Amino acid sequence: IAGITQAPTSQILAAGRRMTLRCTQDMRHNAMYWYRQDLGLGLRLIHYSNTAGTTGKGEVPDGYSVSRANTDDFPLTLASAVPSQTSVYFCASSTSGSTDTQYFGPGTRLTVL
Amino acid sequence: GQNIDQPTEMTATEGAIVQINCTYQTSGFNGLFWYQQHAGEAPTFLSYNVLDGLEEKGRFSSFLSRSKGYSYLLLKELQMKDSASYLCAVRDGDYKLSFGAGTTVTVRA
Repeated sequence: IAGITQAPTSQILAAGRRMTLRCTQDMRHNAMYWYRQDLGLGLRLIHYSNTAGTTGKGEVPDGYSVSRANTDDFPLTLASAVPSQTSVYFCASSTSGSTDTQYFGPGTRLTVL
Repeated sequence: GQNIDQPTEMTATEGAIVQINCTYQTSGFNGLFWYQQHAGEAPTFLSYNVLDGLEEKGRFSSFLSRSKGYSYLLLKELQMKDSASYLCAVRDGDYKLSFGAGTTVTVRA
């Protein structure tokens, strides 16, 4: 059982390019989340999904989009990357919507030049 | 908005006890979490408090006072492997998690 996997592990991207960060979980969790972590700021919620077919905006959603076509996958897309999106991105999941403990994937380190 | 404060850094000696404080002001409250994060790794769940009082899990304990908007994480019998960042997170009235910036604990021999 892998838990939550993220890909790629790290990526260097030119500004203006489109990028999709992948997240897959095999725990059959209903809810999934995307966070970014920046030095001194802690984890900030970008987007979330309480169940397949639904998504919602978090604290810092601008410049990002998500989709939730099935239970297992929750990709995060940067339509046109900017240097301020340089960060470490963590995907997380939990069982019963927002009420349960969240478990995190290993993260993707993204650098936008 | 949410406001969660915790110290930036703490240093302690192997075998000692360290207490990491967290104060919060949020729109509603539905529980407080502590996570541990080693450098370059994902956060891992440590503890959860929703009622006032102390929750003990081996060497780690977490305390909550909802009326004071205050929690602490107590790490006893410190080991070198406890050197990590400790994140305080509050679940607000909309059941979203808001995180503090984290406290980096350095354990010295």
